[in-house]
Amino acid sequence: DVKVTQSSRYLVKRTGEKVFLECVQDMDHENMFWYRQDPGLGLRLIYFSYDVKMKEKGDIPEGYSVSREKKERFSLILESASTNQTSMYLCASRYPGQGLPEQYFGPGTRLTVT
Amino acid sequence: AQSVAQPEDQVNVAEGNPLTVKCTYSVSGNPYLFWYVQYPNRGLQFLLKYITGDNLVKGSYGFEAEFNKSQTSFHLKKPSALVSDSALYFCAVRDPMDSSYKLIFGSGTRLLVRP
Repeated sequence: DVKVTQSSRYLVKRTGEKVFLECVQDMDHENMFWYRQDPGLGLRLIYFSYDVKMKEKGDIPEGYSVSREKKERFSLILESASTNQTSMYLCASRYPGQGLPEQYFGPGTRLTVT
Repeated sequence: AQSVAQPEDQVNVAEGNPLTVKCTYSVSGNPYLFWYVQYPNRGLQFLLKYITGDNLVKGSYGFEAEFNKSQTSFHLKKPSALVSDSALYFCAVRDPMDSSYKLIFGSGTRLLVRP
């Protein structure tokens, strides 16, 4: 079974703090993704990574950065947390190639910025 | 631009009755289509996908979905709902020509199955 884990289920941070969200997958997937989930908006892509040290902006990258130093780990960084970044953050990964396009998700991190 | 619409915020159905959760999409070319389910305080679980071939696809937990190209729809169905099916359901689309592999998600539909 594919397993995607996220470092924290719940996180509370103060405005202005630097926040790190970690995601690890154990299936040697090349592609990894970070989404945020907000009620009524579904999931929106923040950043994705094709492979190690590669990253691409998604639809809402402002206020975020990412790091992919190892294949299994993809980190999302909030440089200076703000209250409008309070959200559920979901990490996903997928097999390379076209044949299996579905993504596999971690359990999510619910971040509250006060 | 690619988009997915889930027109119902919530669907209510009695246990044992058939259920349908609606999804329509807009994408150029032939889409890849997906359904995911999210149980409370959990991540998304993959239910089923349509890539090519038979328009009726079967997935996990007795769910199925029908791809209708003329109506650009991919509705999720189950013949007999269970209380345990109560969850948040997301439809997603991917343009196979998009090299980013990203999925575009709908806003989600909450399914409530009453006993």
